[in-house]
Amino acid sequence: KQEVTQIPAALSVPEGENLVLNCSFTDSAIYNLQWFRQDPGKGLTSLLLIQSSQREQTSGRLNASLDKSSGRSTLYIAASQPGDSATYLCAVIVYNTDKLIFGTGTRLQVFP
Amino acid sequence: NAGVMQNPRHLVRRRGQEARLRCSPMKGHSHVYWYRQLPEEGLKFMVYLQKENIIDESGMPKERFSAEFPKEGPSILRIQQVVRGDSAAYFCASSPPSRGRSSDTEAFFGQGTRLTVV
Repeated sequence: KQEVTQIPAALSVPEGENLVLNCSFTDSAIYNLQWFRQDPGKGLTSLLLIQSSQREQTSGRLNASLDKSSGRSTLYIAASQPGDSATYLCAVIVYNTDKLIFGTGTRLQVFP
Repeated sequence: NAGVMQNPRHLVRRRGQEARLRCSPMKGHSHVYWYRQLPEEGLKFMVYLQKENIIDESGMPKERFSAEFPKEGPSILRIQQVVRGDSAAYFCASSPPSRGRSSDTEAFFGQGTRLTVV
């Protein structure tokens, strides 16, 4: 059974810091991995999708890496801003299913 | 493309009433997924539907919950005889038809329906 874990559960940093959020999954047989952002009381915004054959994806100040063999992904946020404050979720699609399995999330607060 | 549309955004029901949550997928998407997010918890898969078919309902509670995705119109998640424990945010996601479960299939989420049972 696929289990997805994210650490840390919460993170509070001053503006300008570079951040690393971690995601681990127990079953490496995945189609892809997605990182999402969720603002309080809001829906999910897709940030990055990494296909199983890829090692990383970049979008602006965000960079996500994927190491399938070790069951790990990291989301790197460069030069953090208060507007980055949100909960970040990773999710995987396991082979022979079409459903996303979500991690527990990392609640990020960036203060000025 | 308007994105995944869910309504209502907020729904209040008394214990014992029925709740109906609607989801219109993105244009061109034929796959719909429902997820539930309990307070202070992660998103849990409930059900996966294609037009007129339930593909995977392994996450649905055995009683009171049902889902449909008719040939015409939105997908509906129905909760009968609601209880306080049903209070949660319910999210819908859609994705385009899989090409043999392509690894580049991306899921897009709606804003959710926040159900409060009083």
